[in-house]
Amino acid sequence: AQSVAQPEDQVNVAEGNPLTVKCTYSVSGNPYLFWYVQYPNRGLQFLLKYITGDNLVKGSYGFEAEFNKSQTSFHLKKPSALVSDSALYFCAVSPNYGGSQGNLIFGKGTKLSVKP
Amino acid sequence: DGGITQSPKYLFRKEGQNVTLSCEQNLNHDAMYWYRQDPGQGLRLIYYSQIVNDFQKGDIAEGYSVSREKKESFPLTVTSAQKNPTAFYLCASSIVLGGDTQYFGPGTRLTVL
Repeated sequence: AQSVAQPEDQVNVAEGNPLTVKCTYSVSGNPYLFWYVQYPNRGLQFLLKYITGDNLVKGSYGFEAEFNKSQTSFHLKKPSALVSDSALYFCAVSPNYGGSQGNLIFGKGTKLSVKP
Repeated sequence: DGGITQSPKYLFRKEGQNVTLSCEQNLNHDAMYWYRQDPGQGLRLIYYSQIVNDFQKGDIAEGYSVSREKKESFPLTVTSAQKNPTAFYLCASSIVLGGDTQYFGPGTRLTVL
């Protein structure tokens, strides 16, 4: 079965420290990979995506993600965390079915808490 | 949330009643989606539509219905057949179906009393 795993329900970091939110996937073909962020009682906001090319993708608000094909991972990173980064982060994957991309499969989300 | 509106923001329903959630987009996107979000479960796809007058069931379509009569609008009806409808409902759209970036509305929180 196609799946996306976010192994940590919660990640706690101190403001100014680097942060990593992990994502691994098990899907067919060469997938498209996405990160979204959700603030309380709001919709999801797009952060970044990987389709092909450079394994390091830069996105909004200083976030970046590293695609690792051999480890089937797409971890979200930021060099210096801000308190305002505290939110719920979702990894999503669009599998490839014989040349066409499928609908997004979402992970269960990771709550990021940044303390001053 | 730009370009996609959902109404109402909060909705309360008595057991046995049908309710309809509104989703409108002005992004000129062909594809639209409905997701259900429950705590700790991520987003689950209810229905999606590739184009006007066409829609497909997602992973958890039972107890829900949709229509797509206009490109801009994709309303979701939660019927009395849905056994556990209390959840946060999110509408999204993308230029095309599949691997395109999806843009989300602000959501509707439905509570069954």
